[in-house]
Amino acid sequence: GQQVKQSSPSLTVQEGGISILNCDYENDMFDYFAWYKKYPDNSPTLLISVRSNVDKREDGRLTVFLNKSGKHFSLHITASQPEDTAVYLCAAGASSSFSKLVFGQGTSLSVVP
Amino acid sequence: DTTVKQNPRYKLARVGKPVNLICSQTMNHDTMYWYQKKPNQAPKLLLFYYDKILNREADTFEKFQSSRPNNSFCSLYIGSAGLEYSAMYLCASSRDRNTGQLYFGEGSKLTVL
Repeated sequence: GQQVKQSSPSLTVQEGGISILNCDYENDMFDYFAWYKKYPDNSPTLLISVRSNVDKREDGRLTVFLNKSGKHFSLHITASQPEDTAVYLCAAGASSSFSKLVFGQGTSLSVVP
Repeated sequence: DTTVKQNPRYKLARVGKPVNLICSQTMNHDTMYWYQKKPNQAPKLLLFYYDKILNREADTFEKFQSSRPNNSFCSLYIGSAGLEYSAMYLCASSRDRNTGQLYFGEGSKLTVL
């Protein structure tokens, strides 16, 4: 079964609004959580990550919320802009190897005027 | 230079023929990964290296081979391509297994006919 799931394949948000991207996971051993951003014809790049010892991390317009008991984490993008339009991949890894990541299918975010 | 390079970018192969994909990085990264990505699916980890040690995922163990003759270079080899191998193959590297940030190449798109 798929260990990391993004239930929404796509999301459309008005410019200036809040984009909320969600990710669920199954493996209790995961304790590193990340979001990658992918533009068309480009490779995914790390956007933001968090370890399980915190339940929230902010970086500018980006905030990751982690709910370990619910096996869920999310990415909030405030003041969404057209350049935020991209595919967002969530990923999780275990402490045995943070770099051995399991990815979700991705959510395609469109920010419209 | 934080780029991971993959060759070829596009590969057309006949069923039953071998395929060799190449990845390189000059960041002196310890770990390198190969993922398979099909449309609307999550990237699937095929195999990875910690330094010179090859680790293959259980369900892809016999389907893919790989070599890493030096720190910078890593290949993915399919001995006999089947239609189900048509996919994007993504190579990634990270500084070490404790560093969650992966640097991805732009991918090699394999089409098997």
